[in-house]
Amino acid sequence: ETGVTQSPTHLIKTRGQQVTLRCSSQSGHNTVSWYQQALGQGPQFIFQYYREEENGRGNFPPRFSGLQFPNYSSELNVNALELDDSALYLCASSRPERGSPLHFGNGTRLTVT
Amino acid sequence: GEDVEQSLFLSVREGDSSVINCTYTDSSSTYLYWYKQEPGAGLQLLTYIFSNMDMKQDQRLTVLLNKKDKHLSLRIADTQTGDSAIYFCAESIMDNAGNMLTFGGGTRLMVKP
Repeated sequence: ETGVTQSPTHLIKTRGQQVTLRCSSQSGHNTVSWYQQALGQGPQFIFQYYREEENGRGNFPPRFSGLQFPNYSSELNVNALELDDSALYLCASSRPERGSPLHFGNGTRLTVT
Repeated sequence: GEDVEQSLFLSVREGDSSVINCTYTDSSSTYLYWYKQEPGAGLQLLTYIFSNMDMKQDQRLTVLLNKKDKHLSLRIADTQTGDSAIYFCAESIMDNAGNMLTFGGGTRLMVKP
């Protein structure tokens, strides 16, 4: 069984730039969620995708956007990067049934300078 | 509102039991989760419990849920140095946002040989 994989593992960007992070779901999972984890804090929910549509969003501005593809892989796009966007971005996949646990990838460490 | 709180730090000796505590505020929580995060890694699902249960045991792990007090605990028996990590509890609220998780700030467990 292939787990959740994310790319790249590390990324350095400059303030104002745009970034795309990628995620492949665990096999058998068709729901993908993205979380932002700032240093020393717990993860914060960004949004969730199911059947290629966003079906839930946390308290993040519209410059955070995403996509889910027919093979259930996903992208997180962040425009107009700010210094506070520096964080570990975690992708998680799950089955669509309520209560199905989320399985996380190892994350992408984004540094904005 | 949603708020999950954990103590910041716990230190135990190898072979002792560890108990990590968590409180949550939303009475509509239906599933509660424990995740482990090692340095530089993503979140590893340890166990989870449905809110109509009060206890769940899985090998060295025991989860206790006091729904009246909104208190969740994770007991690790015979704690090993490999258990040193940050432990997060999370609650899932079944609303239109799908299976969104709200995480606590994490408890850093240090196991001394």
